[in-house]
Amino acid sequence: GAGVSQSPSNKVTEKGKDVELRCDPISGHTALYWYRQSLGQGLEFLIYFQGNSAPDKSGLPSDRFSAERTGGSVSTLTIQRTQQEDSAVYLCASTPANEQFFGPGTRLTVL
Amino acid sequence: GENVEQHPSTLSVQEGDSAVIKCTYSDSASNYFPWYKQELGKRPQLIIDIRSNVGEKKDQRIAVTLNKTAKHFSLHITETQPEDSAVYFCAANSGGSNYKLTFGKGTLLTVNP
Repeated sequence: GAGVSQSPSNKVTEKGKDVELRCDPISGHTALYWYRQSLGQGLEFLIYFQGNSAPDKSGLPSDRFSAERTGGSVSTLTIQRTQQEDSAVYLCASTPANEQFFGPGTRLTVL
Repeated sequence: GENVEQHPSTLSVQEGDSAVIKCTYSDSASNYFPWYKQELGKRPQLIIDIRSNVGEKKDQRIAVTLNKTAKHFSLHITETQPEDSAVYFCAANSGGSNYKLTFGKGTLLTVNP
């Protein structure tokens, strides 16, 4: 079946612009996660959704970052007024239980 | 919160040798420890996991050991092959929860032919 998909695969933007990153989880997976992976770094937890609610937003770096999930499926991560330090790969994962299935990621470059 | 330390950050071995990657965790309530493999430019994929009610788990050339008392767990790869070259991440769940994983910073494994 289809795995987790993310779009766009690459995004280049100018400092100060807003960006939206999309995640389509595996159908039926109730839990969805966003991570950030900077070059040579591990996976930094950003936010977790159970259904449409986000019980844990503790990893969002600042109030410029927000995320929503609708219909218990698609999620959008929005970064407002992007900064150069936001450049990274943003990964989405979904899970029915414990194993997290990752998407291919969106590589964000802020010039 | 949970803190996961992973060592070494890089590891180079000859094909056929064994490779060992070690992780420590801080939260004594953690009970789920997965390992992910990320090939260059690809997404992380689960290769093996272990729960705290067992001390060792094997799957062909891969094994994971867990020492709950010392709060550390290790990944062992035997008879390494060039296709094992990748970044490996360990993780532990936080506070015994089912949802939140804290990842180590990763180990870049290079298997030289």
